[in-house]
Amino acid sequence: DTEVTQTPKHLVMGMTNKKSLKCEQHMGHRAMYWYKQKAKKPPELMFVYSYEKLSINESVPSRFSPECPNSSLLNLHLHALQPEDSALYLCASSQDRGNQPQHFGDGTRLSIL
Amino acid sequence: GDSVTQMEGPVTLSEEAFLTINCTYTATGYPSLFWYVQYPGEGLQLLLKATKADDKGSNKGFEATYRKETTSFHLEKGSVQVSDSAVYFCALSDRKAAGNKLTFGGGTRVLVKP
Repeated sequence: DTEVTQTPKHLVMGMTNKKSLKCEQHMGHRAMYWYKQKAKKPPELMFVYSYEKLSINESVPSRFSPECPNSSLLNLHLHALQPEDSALYLCASSQDRGNQPQHFGDGTRLSIL
Repeated sequence: GDSVTQMEGPVTLSEEAFLTINCTYTATGYPSLFWYVQYPGEGLQLLLKATKADDKGSNKGFEATYRKETTSFHLEKGSVQVSDSAVYFCALSDRKAAGNKLTFGGGTRVLVKP
């Protein structure tokens, strides 16, 4: 069983919809991450939060808006997405020290109509 | 910048065969090295790790040794099972990089046939 929980597992939305992806961990990790993964590709880093503050934004379009309400929760707000945004979105967490392994959730599979 | 190169797949094997997936890296600092596995429809699971030169990571019959002289971290398993069919990612984390970022290789798909 994964220790990082992501909801929903699947999401279908239109290009004008607003939705949110949620991620929760109870391992006491203070770093949390959002990744985008296309089929047959490795995950691509989108955002990194460290101690609930955004520390890295990998030039992600503003239609993706991350939020870290507390040390256990991470959200990704979606608005006006494009068909090319269809992908598996993975959340991960780790201790906020160099070289610590990241622990991944099972992801949300997002389809944009 | 940092990079990870791993052999392209798919790798198709028979059950009980020996598996090797090659991984080499380039890093300016002192990276930790990881192997992650992704089963169909799931996220990535940490398979094993090594934090310094000559460390050997092992888990579930898989092994990999951190070779600084050859900048490699090859994954091996002596006898694969059908349940080992998955995509395997080699990755590094450089303690000098901000935010504990992972650099991934392209992934290697492994298919084990009964």
